Amino acid sequence: EVQLVESGGGLVQPGGSLKLSCAASGFTFSGSAMHWVRQASGKGLEWVGRIRNKANNYATAYAASVRGRFTISRDDSKNTAYLQMNSLKTEDTAVYYCARFVVVNDYWGQGTLVTVSS
Amino acid sequence: DIVMTQSPDSLAVSLGERATINCKSSQSVLYSSNNNNYLAWYQQKPGQPPKLLIYWSSIRDSGVPDRFSGSGSGTDFTLTISSLQAEDVAVYYCQQYYSTPFTFGPGTKVDIK
Repeated sequence: EVQLVESGGGLVQPGGSLKLSCAASGFTFSGSAMHWVRQASGKGLEWVGRIRNKANNYATAYAASVRGRFTISRDDSKNTAYLQMNSLKTEDTAVYYCARFVVVNDYWGQGTLVTVSS
Repeated sequence: DIVMTQSPDSLAVSLGERATINCKSSQSVLYSSNNNNYLAWYQQKPGQPPKLLIYWSSIRDSGVPDRFSGSGSGTDFTLTISSLQAEDVAVYYCQQYYSTPFTFGPGTKVDIK
């Protein structure tokens, strides 16, 4: 059974940093691209970014709203993807989901809440 | 970036009736080399993550009831629920995965009339 479990969310002050983790199981993690998508309360889905697999040189891509502040990485030995978030703004407050990408985002985690507030 | 729009914003349909949601992309998401439309549909219920319904614009994901169907090509797409059931109350999103950023539509809320 495919499982994705996000962790690391919490309350952080504006300008602060936070690192989210996405622990994967039930599939060949090293062969999959991994994406991050966020959703502010009561709002729609916003694609944050992705990291491809080793065969694709771990290529990353980001939404303009987070480029230069957020970094996606992965550790295939731990079956885990990460989202490092720096220079956080109040508008980054959202539930953050990780999702496997094989052809499409077919499996999603339950999400972790990030609140940026003073 | 490819901008995705959806219509209507919300709709209310009687149980057993048809629901139709439209999605439009600002540029074609049809990849000519494989003739695939890089367009997916997701269903999201309150407090839950999105669930994949349709990919390649018309392929139902495993386990998705056949009352859900997707159609369209290029820039115009449709999600149809042929006979609305109570459990279909949700927000539906389209997403293009033709080019990064993989943008979503704003969502369409479906309710029971």
